[in-house]
Amino acid sequence: EAGVAQSPRYKIIEKRQSVAFWCNPISGHATLYWYQQILGQGPKLLIQFQNNGVVDDSQLPKDRFSAERLKGVDSTLKIQPAKLEDSAVYLCASRLGDRLHGYTFGSGTRLTVV
Amino acid sequence: AQSVTQPDIHITVSEGASLELRCNYSYGATPYLFWYVQSPGQGLQLLLKYFSGDTLVQGIKGFEAEFKRSQSSFNLRKPSVHWSDAAEYFCAAYFGNEKLTFGTGTRLTIIP
Repeated sequence: EAGVAQSPRYKIIEKRQSVAFWCNPISGHATLYWYQQILGQGPKLLIQFQNNGVVDDSQLPKDRFSAERLKGVDSTLKIQPAKLEDSAVYLCASRLGDRLHGYTFGSGTRLTVV
Repeated sequence: AQSVTQPDIHITVSEGASLELRCNYSYGATPYLFWYVQSPGQGLQLLLKYFSGDTLVQGIKGFEAEFKRSQSSFNLRKPSVHWSDAAEYFCAAYFGNEKLTFGTGTRLTIIP
């Protein structure tokens, strides 16, 4: 079974620029999550999709962050404009079925904002 | 408030020694509990999970965890660590919703 694919692996941008991250979940996994992991902290949920609908985006900074999951498969997370405090690893995860299944995480995208 | 606490930021263990990583939660019921491991530059890998039943659960890579309701704890153990176990370990929980809440992690260093 192929894992969760994310790209790019690394990105360095200047503050106020925009950036986009891409995630391809495991085939058949209806639930997709984006997490932000700041250095030295645990991952924090940004947004949860069920198929192509948003389930929870309560912790997504909507003034600058946006995410979509077209056709219930791939997902894109965008930041515009980026701030220094957005420097973090952005992890995508997917899940098959209900909560009894754990998440499968991608390797993440490490964003550095300078 | 619902939360997961990992009291130890960093632990150093000699290779071959036993290991215990602590995890406590705050919740009015029994959450679904997980342990994940993250190697440098990698995503998180599921080690084990607990939902109900036997309070001692076995996971991959020789890890086990014990759920103790009276202590609101779910500590991770390994009888003999290997150098390849050096990584960051995260405890996480579902608190009655669809969202995994993570602790802040414990970094494990193995010394020869």
